[in-house]
Amino acid sequence: VQLQESGPGLVKPSQTLSLTCSVSGGSTTSAAYYWTWIRQRPGEGLECIGYMSYSETTYYNPSLKSRVMMSVDTSKNQFSLKVTSVIAADTAVYYCARLTIQPRGGWFDPWGQGTLVTVSS
Amino acid sequence: QSVLTQPPSVSGAPGQRVTISCTGSSSNIGADYDVHWYQHLPGTAPKLLIYADTNRPSGVPDRFSGSRSGTSASLAITGLQAEDEADYYCQSYDNSLNGHVLFGGGTRLTVL
Repeated sequence: VQLQESGPGLVKPSQTLSLTCSVSGGSTTSAAYYWTWIRQRPGEGLECIGYMSYSETTYYNPSLKSRVMMSVDTSKNQFSLKVTSVIAADTAVYYCARLTIQPRGGWFDPWGQGTLVTVSS
Repeated sequence: QSVLTQPPSVSGAPGQRVTISCTGSSSNIGADYDVHWYQHLPGTAPKLLIYADTNRPSGVPDRFSGSRSGTSASLAITGLQAEDEADYYCQSYDNSLNGHVLFGGGTRLTVL
């Protein structure tokens, strides 16, 4: 399975950041996985933005919940992220990843290569 | 500030053994959630190194091993190699955040 992020590398403040993750070698309709967005701001660690199933059960990081929306397009085998009202602090490398569901908490594998999104006017 | 605490940096000479700790609490590691470890080289995709505390995915050398005890977990790397120089992150879940995903703050491993 391979994942690849795509989307604009530059977004103006107050606008909406939109990214897509294309999945190859596997299906977004698998019930064994959730589809995830993770980011890394400059000089910081990894932060899970949220994850969702193909049936659109979602979980969003409480710190971002009011500005985040995720969706899955099973016909295109893709899933997407939108972050509204972006600010400079949303500048980060954004990764998509597959989350394997486990009773005691799952793991992320594989990951996309990541895409840098800069918020600037 | 991350709820999973890792040392910012560790170092070792080639061939040596290093360990990276991941300290949590009763609401995450202590609540019996699994701990997973990732290796991240700048500019590349993070790589799953250890899953469910002690398991290595196919292709990960047995120089890498994981363990846990109480509210902490550890990653050990033996026979240190130059290519091991990277950032390492632990990951788990937390009851207090409705089971949300947690990452440790990351540890930069320097091979001297």
